[in-house]
Amino acid sequence: DAKTTQPPSMDCAEGRAANLPCNHSTISGNEYVYWYRQIHSQGPQYIIHGLKNNETNEMASLIITEDRKSSTLILPHATLRDTAVYYCIVRFSTGANSKLTFGKGITLSVRP
Amino acid sequence: GAVVSQHPSRVICKSGTSVKIECRSLDFQATTMFWYRQFPKQSLMLMATSNEGSKATYEQGVEKDKFLINHASLTLSTLTVTSAHPEDSSFYICSAPPPGGRGYTFGSGTRLTVV
Repeated sequence: DAKTTQPPSMDCAEGRAANLPCNHSTISGNEYVYWYRQIHSQGPQYIIHGLKNNETNEMASLIITEDRKSSTLILPHATLRDTAVYYCIVRFSTGANSKLTFGKGITLSVRP
Repeated sequence: GAVVSQHPSRVICKSGTSVKIECRSLDFQATTMFWYRQFPKQSLMLMATSNEGSKATYEQGVEKDKFLINHASLTLSTLTVTSAHPEDSSFYICSAPPPGGRGYTFGSGTRLTVV
């Protein structure tokens, strides 16, 4: 699976949009971009994933550049409860037996 | 939907004893489950892949005789930490891929403290 690079941390004000970047310059054509987050002392939570097109769900939006070498997770209106470590993961398929490898992630701190 | 239940959430045990952690998929069947370990301020490290009806696959450096994994049914995988030592104290998390191709579902984790 392709390696990802994320800044170690960022913060944003409550109510503002949080834009979390991720670089995956070695991504191959059939690799998906996944985002998970982990709130302190809890198991990770799936947020969103995409292949080429931008995606949006009830939690967030995922913007993937045209060359697919980077992506941005957008939390449109961050709340204090969004404070967590966010992991950008690239993997080959949605197959059930495919391992999920976590990097260091980015720590998002939402300030009041 | 797609809930994974993990128990216990916290356990304290004496050095040399064994501890069993359960991971159940509540509303879907999981032929494969994954077990992770997380030390403070570090990321999740995959320990092993649990396969229903067959032997688990362990990651390099993980002692299979120390971390026993059993996946006896399509909804239950267990991790037993045998002869636990203080250095085994960690946060253990299980995960399973739900049907439909969405992201994996994770348990809430088990905080193991060996004294």
